[in-house]
Amino acid sequence: EIVLTQSPTTIAASPGEKVTITCRASSSVSYMYWYQQKPGASPKPWIYDTSKLASGVPNRFSGSGSGTSYSLTINTMETEDAATYYCQQWSSTPPTFGAGTKLELK
Amino acid sequence: EVQLVESGGGLVQPGRSLKLSCVASGFTFNNYWMTWIRQAPGKGLEWVASITNTGGSTYYPDSVKGRFTISRDNAKSTLYLQMNSLRSEDTATYYCTREGYYSSYWFAYWGQGTLVTVSS
Repeated sequence: EIVLTQSPTTIAASPGEKVTITCRASSSVSYMYWYQQKPGASPKPWIYDTSKLASGVPNRFSGSGSGTSYSLTINTMETEDAATYYCQQWSSTPPTFGAGTKLELK
Repeated sequence: EVQLVESGGGLVQPGRSLKLSCVASGFTFNNYWMTWIRQAPGKGLEWVASITNTGGSTYYPDSVKGRFTISRDNAKSTLYLQMNSLRSEDTATYYCTREGYYSSYWFAYWGQGTLVTVSS
C-alpha cells in the first residue's frame, strides 16, 4: 500500500499570502489528485492528473510534482480557501489518501 | 447535472447488518466505475469498495473484505453497499462516488453522504 504523507498538518495564512501544501508518497506514483473539504460538507474534487483544475476551481490554485513529491499551491490566499485539503493516489490498488492539511485563515 | 444520493444509514448494533443505496442521475450509469468512500467522525478519507461499470469485478481493502459487498443495478442506476458483521470502527459517513470522465483514477463526483453509527 502506498502511504501518502501530507505536510504541514495545519497551516494558517493571511489573505494575499502564498500557500503550499506538500504530499509525499512512499513509492512513486504517476499522478496525484486533490480534494477540498469544508466542515459538514462532502469533499469536492479539486485537482486531477497532478495539475489540472476541476471545474469551478479558481486559477489561483495550481498543482505540480512527480514521482514521490507533489504539491498544491494557492498563489494568493482568499478567505474562502480555508478548508482541509486531501491528496489521493490510485497508481496502485488500494487507492489511498493523505491525512489532510487544514488551512486556516490568519 | 451529475447527482448521487445516498440512503440507508442509521444506528445499528455491533455484529448486525446494514445496506446502503446510492441513486445516480445525470449521466449514463453503466459507463462508469463506482466507489464507496467513508470518513469516520473528525478523521480522514478511507476507500471502502469499488465496482467496475458492468459489475463484473469488485475491489475491497483488507479492513472490510469478507464483510462488505458492493453491487450495482445498472437498470435502476443504483449502487449498493451491503455491510455485515459491523464493528464500532465502521462508524463513519459513507460517500458514494463516481470516477472522472477525463481521468479514471479519482473520485470526481460525491454524494452528500449517509451516516452509519455502530453502537450498542
